[in-house]
Amino acid sequence: NAGVTQTPKFQVLKTGQSMTLQCAQDMNHEYMSWYRQDPGMGLRLIHYSVGAGITDQGEVPNGYNVSRSTTEDFPLRLLSAAPSQTSVYFCASTPGWGGEQYFGPGTRLTVT
Amino acid sequence: RKEVEQDPGPFNVPEGATVAFNCTYSNSASQSFFWYRQDCRKEPKLLMSVYSSGNEDGRFTAQLNRASQYISLLIRDSKLSDSATYLCVVNNPPNNFNKFYFGSGTKLNVKP
Repeated sequence: NAGVTQTPKFQVLKTGQSMTLQCAQDMNHEYMSWYRQDPGMGLRLIHYSVGAGITDQGEVPNGYNVSRSTTEDFPLRLLSAAPSQTSVYFCASTPGWGGEQYFGPGTRLTVT
Repeated sequence: RKEVEQDPGPFNVPEGATVAFNCTYSNSASQSFFWYRQDCRKEPKLLMSVYSSGNEDGRFTAQLNRASQYISLLIRDSKLSDSATYLCVVNNPPNNFNKFYFGSGTKLNVKP
């Protein structure tokens, strides 16, 4: 099993550009989440999904969209990148109720 | 008030020392509690779950105090390899048991 994979590993965007961060898992986990991590702030939940077709907002959803058309994939879309979105983005999946989260390696995004 | 609060440290300890971290949480309905370890520029990885009765895994002991709403992590006989950031994670029912909040992390430096 590859576990949770994320692409790209690094990305530089200009203000106003859009892009999609990809996340996939091959463990058949129902629950997936996106977090951003900024220095001194810990991980903050952006959006999460409890299954295909079901998503909900986390703490910091503004400027991001998600969809979940399959169990395996949970892409995160930045609609119009802003410098405040410079961060490290982690995707995670969870096999069951309130359980351990498995994280991808992260995407380091810089918006100039 | 933040959902989960931790002392950011750093805690600088010599090898062989015992060190303890605390973490407080705000949602009295929280059901799942975890400690994750994060190495520099890497994804978080589960260190241990925290059970109501407390639990131990080798040199690591985790405790939960529901009345005071805090969890703790005790590391005995610290090793150089224990140097990392330790993240406290709590779930957020009743809206969704797989919606997790992270503390900002406590940095541990173990010195020779």
